[in-house]
Amino acid sequence: AQTVTQSQPEMSVQEAETVTLSCTYDTSENNYYLFWYKQPPSRQMILVIRQEAYKQQNATENRFSVNFQKAAKSFSLKISDSQLGDTAMYFCAFMGAMEYGNKLVFGAGTILRVKS
Amino acid sequence: NAGVTQTPKFQVLKTGQSMTLQCAQDMNHNSMYWYRQDPGMGLRLIYYSASEGTTDKGEVPNGYNVSRLNKREFSLRLESAAPSQTSVYFCASSLYGTEAYEQYFGPGTRLTVT
Repeated sequence: AQTVTQSQPEMSVQEAETVTLSCTYDTSENNYYLFWYKQPPSRQMILVIRQEAYKQQNATENRFSVNFQKAAKSFSLKISDSQLGDTAMYFCAFMGAMEYGNKLVFGAGTILRVKS
Repeated sequence: NAGVTQTPKFQVLKTGQSMTLQCAQDMNHNSMYWYRQDPGMGLRLIYYSASEGTTDKGEVPNGYNVSRLNKREFSLRLESAAPSQTSVYFCASSLYGTEAYEQYFGPGTRLTVT
């Protein structure tokens, strides 16, 4: 079974600075997808970014980018120019590409606080 | 488009009571999911329905039942609620078997069992 580990329960960053959230995963599959979801205080789960394992190029979405290291099974999220609205819980998630049902396996989450 | 909707948003139950959480999506997705979120544990899959007419157990199915009523609707039932089922419940949907495989989530239901 796949597992996802987020080793940083809480982090804080000053507004306008850069922060990196860590995620490692364990799988025997070669083809899979990785995601970062954001959960602000409103509780809504919002997809931030996704990465296909077969793509070597790291995904980017505006101020959000990932560092995907397939051999190390590492998938970190970098947030540049942090904004107060980035304050949220961030979840890393894994989906096996060949697994029936597109099921997601989540990490325990990292609370990020952006300070002014 | 409303996306994924859930009712109710909040619920308080006494131990032993039953209730059904409702979920509907208007994105023409074929797959739907129920997760629970507990502090320090992320989201865990309770049940899922990869397509209309099928349902399968996830990681934590005990104490729950589901019904895929039609392509749009997927309900979660607690037959005899227990304090251990106090949690936030999320419904999600996706297009299984396509390149658009991301899951989209509803706003969640906060359930307290006393």
